[in-house]
Amino acid sequence: GESVGLHLPTLSVQEGDNSIINCAYSNSASDYFIWYKQESGKGPQFIIDIRSNMDKRQGQRVTVLLNKTVKHLSLQIAATQPGDSAVYFCAETNNAGKSTFGDGTTLTVKP
Amino acid sequence: NAGVTQTPKFRVLKTGQSMTLLCAQDMNHEYMYWYRQDPGMGLRLIHYSVGEGTTAKGEVPDGYNVSRLKKQNFLLGLESAAPSQTSVYFCASSPQRGPDSPLHFGNGTRLTVT
Repeated sequence: GESVGLHLPTLSVQEGDNSIINCAYSNSASDYFIWYKQESGKGPQFIIDIRSNMDKRQGQRVTVLLNKTVKHLSLQIAATQPGDSAVYFCAETNNAGKSTFGDGTTLTVKP
Repeated sequence: NAGVTQTPKFRVLKTGQSMTLLCAQDMNHEYMYWYRQDPGMGLRLIHYSVGEGTTAKGEVPDGYNVSRLKKQNFLLGLESAAPSQTSVYFCASSPQRGPDSPLHFGNGTRLTVT
């Protein structure tokens, strides 16, 4: 079956450092990948997405890398700030539109 | 724009009681979804709707019913609550389903069944 997993449940970084959050997926037919950010007491919020025909996409301070060979997705956050503290989820969507979510990595930014 | 709004934010039920969770979106999205979030299990799809008047089962539909009488509203019902339904429930919407269509989530309803 499909599964999406994150390598580490927690990650702690110093303010100003770069953060890298990893995700492994199992369905090679997945067509679309999304990173969401979930702050305490709120719903997941879209950060950045990438299609399977790309291997890198950049946003404001965030970059998503996709390695289809090893079915690995990562989210890089540059110059991490206290406001980046949250739970980060990856999600994969197959061509039928079904989305599968990972468990999440809790990012803590130390001042 | 309010986006996706869920009511109530919190609810405590006794086993066997019933309740309805309300989700409203003001983005004119066709697709709406109900997820539950439990520790260590990620978000799991309960039911979804591809448009007004339609509903479909997701991964974990048992014990829940849904209705989409108006495009902007998606209701989730629990007919006879069980402790296993203690969870945080999220409603989401999207203009279409699949690539290039991320989900827009509400802020959740925390339900405790005793």
